[in-house]
Amino acid sequence: SQQGEEDPQALSIQEGENATMNCSYKTSINNLQWYRQNSGRGLVHLILIRSNEREKHSGRLRVTLDTSKKSSSLLITASRAADTASYFCATELSYIPTFGRGTSLIVHP
Amino acid sequence: DADVTQTPRNRITKTGKRIMLECSQTKGHDRMYWYRQDPGLGLRLIYYSFDVKDINKGEISDGYSVSRQAQAKFSLSLESAIPNQTALYFCATSDSAPNEQYFGPGTRLTVT
Repeated sequence: SQQGEEDPQALSIQEGENATMNCSYKTSINNLQWYRQNSGRGLVHLILIRSNEREKHSGRLRVTLDTSKKSSSLLITASRAADTASYFCATELSYIPTFGRGTSLIVHP
Repeated sequence: DADVTQTPRNRITKTGKRIMLECSQTKGHDRMYWYRQDPGLGLRLIYYSFDVKDINKGEISDGYSVSRQAQAKFSLSLESAIPNQTALYFCATSDSAPNEQYFGPGTRLTVT
């Protein structure tokens, strides 16, 4: 069974807008990671946040983690058409990552 | 050259055939994983290996087997392919910590 569940399943925005996607999970974790997948290609790691961290930034990406609510969010600021992709969260406990079903993001130019 | 390579990239096979998917990596990572991806279901773990002598079943190992021939090579076999094994298969590697995964380009398998 999948640990993380992303929300929304699909998101459509205009270039320049911010995109926010959420991940909820059920059990304790060591860390949570976000990945991007361009259509039919391998996943690319974006950012990792440990269970004792609350927020991390990487370029236009901002990830938050609330372990009390068992949820994380990924914010992409000033989105670009090239950000069009599927985004997956992966929760990890005991070194085995478990992926959610993903959020499909479309950024219209 | 890509750090994680998969062969073949595309394969069409018939029900009942044995097929092997191969994965090689040049990252020097000990950990390797096989996933399948189906539309709407995300990635599901088939098998994983933390070193050459370590093989573990994942969430959906039935109908699959693996071989870790070397630190750099991890093969996935379908002993007798069936149509519901039609999917996109990914190999991934990671170091022991912090476990960021590096994915191969995928193998699109169709079983007719």
